[in-house]
Amino acid sequence: EIVLTQSPGTLLLSPGERATLSCRASQSVSSNYLVWYQQKAGQAPRLLIYGASKRAAGIPDRFSGSGSGTDFTLSITRLEPEDFAVYFCQLYDNSLLTFGGGTKVEIK
Amino acid sequence: QVQLVQSGAEVKTPGASVKVSCKLFGNALTSYIMHWVRQVPGQSLEWMGWINAGNGNTKYSQKFQGRVTVTRDTSASTAYMELSSLRSEDTAVYYCARWGYLFIDYWGQGTLVTVSS
Repeated sequence: EIVLTQSPGTLLLSPGERATLSCRASQSVSSNYLVWYQQKAGQAPRLLIYGASKRAAGIPDRFSGSGSGTDFTLSITRLEPEDFAVYFCQLYDNSLLTFGGGTKVEIK
Repeated sequence: QVQLVQSGAEVKTPGASVKVSCKLFGNALTSYIMHWVRQVPGQSLEWMGWINAGNGNTKYSQKFQGRVTVTRDTSASTAYMELSSLRSEDTAVYYCARWGYLFIDYWGQGTLVTVSS
């Protein structure tokens, strides 16, 4: 079973700064099934990026995804106040769903 | 519009079972795979299993195999997740989620299950 490791666990940044979040798979995976979600307290996750780099409908272009193989990145340029949240990567492989441990983006 | 509406919060004693429902509005349930994902407070998301609502096929996480059962009632457009032999570590928010073929496109609002003696 593939393991997704997200880093860092917590990112302390100020509004307007750039956030770079990492998701590393324990073995090479298809980028078609690599997804990023955002979750705010008390809410269900919200789809941000699918296929490693495709923005979901309605997601601002300050969010971007990249990567392939084992290393994937979610970047947020110019953090807005509403972007401070927890971010999860997720993989669908061999009929199984796997989530990373999450990265919390906090206001410095 | 598409909406997943889950049943309300539950409080269970250790050893009991819980059954959470998830009703799909706005689309035919039989067209989709429905996942169940849980989240222990303050922790990550944890996948439990899925059901192909069209043919009833299921797949479960090895961690929950033998304790979780996912079913559906197509006439009621509702999926169900039953977890047995509950322990305190099963206290979590349980989500149903619709699979959009490449990603989860809709989530239920979540159901808090508290296991306490």
